[in-house]
Amino acid sequence: EAGVTQFPSHSVIEKGQTVTLRCDPISGHDNLYWYRRVMGKEIKFLLHFVKESKQDESGMPNNRFLAERTGGTYSTLKVQPAELEDSGVYFCASSQGYGVGGYTFGSGTRLTVV
Amino acid sequence: KNEVEQSPQNLTAQEGEFITINCSYSVGISALHWLQQHPGGGIVSLFMLSSGKKKHGRLIATINIQEKHSSLHITASHPRDSAVYICAVTGNQFYFGTGTSLTVIP
Repeated sequence: EAGVTQFPSHSVIEKGQTVTLRCDPISGHDNLYWYRRVMGKEIKFLLHFVKESKQDESGMPNNRFLAERTGGTYSTLKVQPAELEDSGVYFCASSQGYGVGGYTFGSGTRLTVV
Repeated sequence: KNEVEQSPQNLTAQEGEFITINCSYSVGISALHWLQQHPGGGIVSLFMLSSGKKKHGRLIATINIQEKHSSLHITASHPRDSAVYICAVTGNQFYFGTGTSLTVIP
């Protein structure tokens, strides 16, 4: 079974540019989550999709971040325009059910904004 | 104050030692997770607990719901166990601890 796949694994962009991160969950997992870890801090929740719907987006830091999950399959997280403080590692995870069953994490996208 | 607190933050052990990492949380939860992240690597889910104790190989995870506390134990530690171990809980949302960086020296 393929795991959760994230693209790209690394991205270096200039301040003000746009970056789009992609997450492919495990096939059949309705729940998809985005998290990020900025330097020296704990991992923070960003948002939670159930199929194509945003179940909880309370962790999204501001309106420069836009997440989509068209068709309830893969998800994208766009940062536009990127700021220096957006640098960090962005993780995606998926699960069949929320709060039960296993969560599978992707290997993360390391974003560096210079 | 973070909803999930881990201790210690950093831990160095000699190969073969018994290791304990602690996690306390302050929110109501449906499950607690122990995660492992190797340097430069992704996150691997080790355990998901809602009560009692689970064992997988040399790893043991326990949880005390009343005390809102969990421990991760590693028996006969090995250098390949060197990683960051993260405690996370799922309640209304997912909360993460800051992680414990473990280094096992041969």
